[in-house]
Amino acid sequence: GAGVSQTPSNKVTEKGKYVELRCDPISGHTALYWYRQSLGQGPEFLIYFQGTGAADDSGLPNDRFFAVRPEGSVSTLKIQRTERGDSAVYLCASSSRTSGESKRYNEQFFGPGTRLTVL
Amino acid sequence: DQQVKQNSPSLSVQEGRISILNCDYTNSMFDYFLWYKKYPAEGPTFLISISSIKDKNEDGRFTVFLNKSAKHLSLHIVPSQPGDSAVYFCAASVYNTDKLIFGTGTRLQVFP
Repeated sequence: GAGVSQTPSNKVTEKGKYVELRCDPISGHTALYWYRQSLGQGPEFLIYFQGTGAADDSGLPNDRFFAVRPEGSVSTLKIQRTERGDSAVYLCASSSRTSGESKRYNEQFFGPGTRLTVL
Repeated sequence: DQQVKQNSPSLSVQEGRISILNCDYTNSMFDYFLWYKKYPAEGPTFLISISSIKDKNEDGRFTVFLNKSAKHLSLHIVPSQPGDSAVYFCAASVYNTDKLIFGTGTRLQVFP
């Protein structure tokens, strides 16, 4: 079946501009995660959705970053007034974990990422 | 504050030999540990996990060992194959949360 898809695959923008990054999770997955991977680093957690609501947004670096998932499927990560330090690969993942479910392991399926470059 | 550390940025192993990738952590509240594998231009793919109440989990050529007293885990791949060449990330999840904390990765190269 289809995996997690992310669009665009690459985005180049200028400092101060607004960008939107899209994530299509695996069909039926209720949990969706955004991570950011800077050069030479591992993925860094940004936000986690369970259904339509953000269950944990503790990783968002500041109020320029915002994410939505209005229908519990596709999610959009929005970055306002982009800065050069926002340049990174933004990864989306989904899992079938449901709220309150006893956690055996946390298998998250990742998309290929969107490479954002802020000039 | 790096809670999950992979101190070896790279490892080179001959085909057929054992690859051992190491990971150290600092947070005693981690309840699951996972290994992800990443090829260039692709997202990480799940490889194997271990609960904090276990000390070993095996899946085919891959075995993960957990030493809680030392806060250390390792991934053993035997025998190593050229297709195993990738970046391997150690990750951990905090008890009662769903976010993963990743290490910085180790690039494994398996040569013929």
